[in-house]
Amino acid sequence: EVQLVESGGDLVEPGGSLRLSCAASGFNFNNYNMNWVRQAPGKGLEWIAYISFNSAMIYYADSVKGRFTISRDNAKNSVYLQMNSLRAEDTAVYYCARNTTLVRGVSDYWGQGTLVTVSS
Amino acid sequence: EIVLTQSPATLSVSPGERATLSCRASQSVSSNLAWYQQRPGQAPRLLIYGAYIRATGIPARFSGSGSGTEFTLTISSLQSEDFAVYYCQQYNNWPPYTFGQGTKLEI
Repeated sequence: EVQLVESGGDLVEPGGSLRLSCAASGFNFNNYNMNWVRQAPGKGLEWIAYISFNSAMIYYADSVKGRFTISRDNAKNSVYLQMNSLRAEDTAVYYCARNTTLVRGVSDYWGQGTLVTVSS
Repeated sequence: EIVLTQSPATLSVSPGERATLSCRASQSVSSNLAWYQQRPGQAPRLLIYGAYIRATGIPARFSGSGSGTEFTLTISSLQSEDFAVYYCQQYNNWPPYTFGQGTKLEI
């Protein structure tokens, strides 16, 4: 069974940092591109970062570029999101999502999310 | 960046009825459009990709159509578990992948 389990969400002050983790199981993680997608309270979905299966391609949304860093460790079946210089508008549930191998850009499995709250 | 506009924002229907949700792209995305369902408190779930291809395990009452800039998600006979928020997403021109703002399907 495919599982994605996020962790690391917390309450953090503006300007602070946080590292999110997503542990994958039930599939060959090495073969899959991964994304982070967030959802602010009561709002829609926002894609924020992508990493290819071999970390050769990495992309960010403009809203997080220069502040967030996506990475992965295929030996640990995990993808990470390092978040620096956090702002109130970064408050959201953060999901990791697996892209299908059939169609680039489509996410067929999602974790349950981890809540990040940025507030003083 | 491609902007996706979903309509209506909220759709009120009864169980057993048919629901039609729309998604319009600011420029052509060919058939590179997906639909996701999000129930309250849950993660999104992939329903449709390639504009009309049902994902694994998705019931046949869900169907997608359209290409270019106009897309439709149809749910033929609403079940209680279908009341949720639905998002379209384009993956034709990326980054960024972009989502519509969602349509809430309510009783």
